[in-house]
Amino acid sequence: GESVGLHLPTLSVQEGDNSIINCAYSNSASDYFIWYKQESGKGPQFIIDIRSNMDKRQGQRVTVLLNKTVKHLSLQIAATQPGDSAVYFCAERGGNQFYFGTGTSLTVIP
Amino acid sequence: DSGVTQTPKHLITATGQRVTLRCSPRSGDLSVYWYQQSLDQGLQFLIQYYNGEERAKGNILERFSAQQFPDLHSELNLSSLELGDSALYFCASSVMGMNTEAFFGQGTRLTVV
Repeated sequence: GESVGLHLPTLSVQEGDNSIINCAYSNSASDYFIWYKQESGKGPQFIIDIRSNMDKRQGQRVTVLLNKTVKHLSLQIAATQPGDSAVYFCAERGGNQFYFGTGTSLTVIP
Repeated sequence: DSGVTQTPKHLITATGQRVTLRCSPRSGDLSVYWYQQSLDQGLQFLIQYYNGEERAKGNILERFSAQQFPDLHSELNLSSLELGDSALYFCASSVMGMNTEAFFGQGTRLTVV
């Protein structure tokens, strides 16, 4: 099966600093990637997506970088806020389904 | 509020039983997805329906089945339940297929005892 893994299970950052969450994927044929945020007791929330024909995509305070050479995806959060504390998942579309990473727990220290 | 409604929020049932989880997608969304989230396996894609038809299948057990009705709501049926089926079950919906933003419901927490 597919393998989507995260380099770090937990990440703590100071409020105001930038956060970088990493994800490795295994299927070089995957053509679409999504980052989700999941707060405690809630369902995953779409943050940003990127297609395989792009290297970078920016949203509001978030940037996703895709490096297809090393099959690596990252999520950058600028000026991290306490409300950003959550678990972040990456997901890749391989074939006709999505494969999710196990998640990175981000804690923002006030 | 994502606009996706799942019922019930919590469900406790015994091994061997059968349960039905219900999902109402966002207004206008044609695709419905079901996911299972457990502590040891993370988020696993189960199945997708698009406008009433099965579109994609993931790691869904044969004991599980789903359907999407003409009004686009969906049900996930879990039968012959085992302790290992205890998990959060999420429904998500999107306007079109798998390359569009999906919105998740709050989930149904199933506990099999």
